[in-house]
Amino acid sequence: GQQVMQIPQYQHVQEGEDFTTYCNSSTTLSNIQWYKQRPGGHPVFLIQLVKSGEVKKQKRLTFQFGEAKKNSSLHITATQTTDVGTYFCAGHRGNKLVFGAGTILRVKS
Amino acid sequence: NAGVTQTPKFQVLKTGQSMTLQCAQDMNHEYMSWYRQDPGMGLRLIHYSVGAGITDQGEVPNGYNVSRSTTEDFPLRLLSAAPSQTSVYFCASSYLGRTRGELFFGEGSRLTVL
Repeated sequence: GQQVMQIPQYQHVQEGEDFTTYCNSSTTLSNIQWYKQRPGGHPVFLIQLVKSGEVKKQKRLTFQFGEAKKNSSLHITATQTTDVGTYFCAGHRGNKLVFGAGTILRVKS
Repeated sequence: NAGVTQTPKFQVLKTGQSMTLQCAQDMNHEYMSWYRQDPGMGLRLIHYSVGAGITDQGEVPNGYNVSRSTTEDFPLRLLSAAPSQTSVYFCASSYLGRTRGELFFGEGSRLTVL
């Protein structure tokens, strides 16, 4: 089963609303990575967080890594139709990169 | 720069048939891996390799074999296809390092087993 849990599974928002997806692990992660997959496409790397409590921003996207390095979040401010897709978190356990099940984001214009 | 190249993009098999999904990368990445993607289950790791001659199992290895004879290539073999192996398969590669590298994905191979 999935060792990295991600919620919600699905979210449908009105354009301009904010969106957040959460990632939780039962064990400490050495790092957390976030990927975006557009419909019909392949996952594309967004960012990597390594330090406890780390916060990084990319334009309207804010990424956080928890103090205990067991959880992370991705927040999108004022969603746009271009944000549509599935967002995955992934964490390393040794050499294995384990993915969460992903959050599907749909944006109504 | 081609990145990660997967072939074929689409394949239909009958139960019991065998086939090989090819994956090649031209970025000199040490790490290569295969994932399968099924609705609602995200990306599940099948097998991975940290270098030529070294392979290891991921989360869902049963029914699949891999080998890594060169740095560039990492083929995935289905010895006797089953309908449960109907999925989209992604090959991905990265550098290995203290903080690990971003994973570069191929465009995917959609496999249907009848």
